[in-house]
Amino acid sequence: GAGVSQSPSNKVTEKGKDVELRCDPISGHTALYWYRQSLGQGLEFLIYFQGNSAPDKSGLPSDRFSAERTGGSVSTLTIQRTQQEDSAVYLCASSPHPTSGEQFFGPGTRLTVL
Amino acid sequence: AQSVAQPEDQVNVAEGNPLTVKCTYSVSGNPYLFWYVQYPNRGLQFLLKYITGDNLVKGSYGFEAEFNKSQTSFHLKKPSALVSDSALYFCAVRDMEAGNNRKLIWGLGTSLAVNP
Repeated sequence: GAGVSQSPSNKVTEKGKDVELRCDPISGHTALYWYRQSLGQGLEFLIYFQGNSAPDKSGLPSDRFSAERTGGSVSTLTIQRTQQEDSAVYLCASSPHPTSGEQFFGPGTRLTVL
Repeated sequence: AQSVAQPEDQVNVAEGNPLTVKCTYSVSGNPYLFWYVQYPNRGLQFLLKYITGDNLVKGSYGFEAEFNKSQTSFHLKKPSALVSDSALYFCAVRDMEAGNNRKLIWGLGTSLAVNP
């Protein structure tokens, strides 16, 4: 079956521009997570969506970062006025049973801010 | 504070030898523990998990992990390493703080290199 997909796979942008990253989770998965992975670093939690509940935004590094999830499915992560330190791989994961802990990851979007 | 530690940034083993990738944790209550693997230029994949039951859990690709409550460890093991096992391995534990139990706390990862 189809896994988690993310687009674009690569994004190069200029400092100060806005970018949108898209995530299509596995159908039926109620939970969706966004992470950031910098070169040689671990996973940094950004935001979590669960069904119709208010998202957990506790990991967003600044107010330039926002995300939404429409219709309980597709999610978009938006970074406004990008900075060079935003360069990283942005990973999306979905889960059918978030309390079980098993998450299914997409291939990621590599963002490069020049 | 809750945490996960992977004390080795890199582990090198020869093909055919046993491998161990270490993980220790600190959470309140009974832990839910996980191992994920990230192959080069690919997304993370779930390997195995421990929730309850036998301390030795078996997962994908011949990997297993041993839960040790007294040592608060969950080391990943494989009896005979393959070159194709070379990847980045992440240990994670479920956040046990009230309201956070749908989130994982991640280690920083251990890069495994299996030499032919």
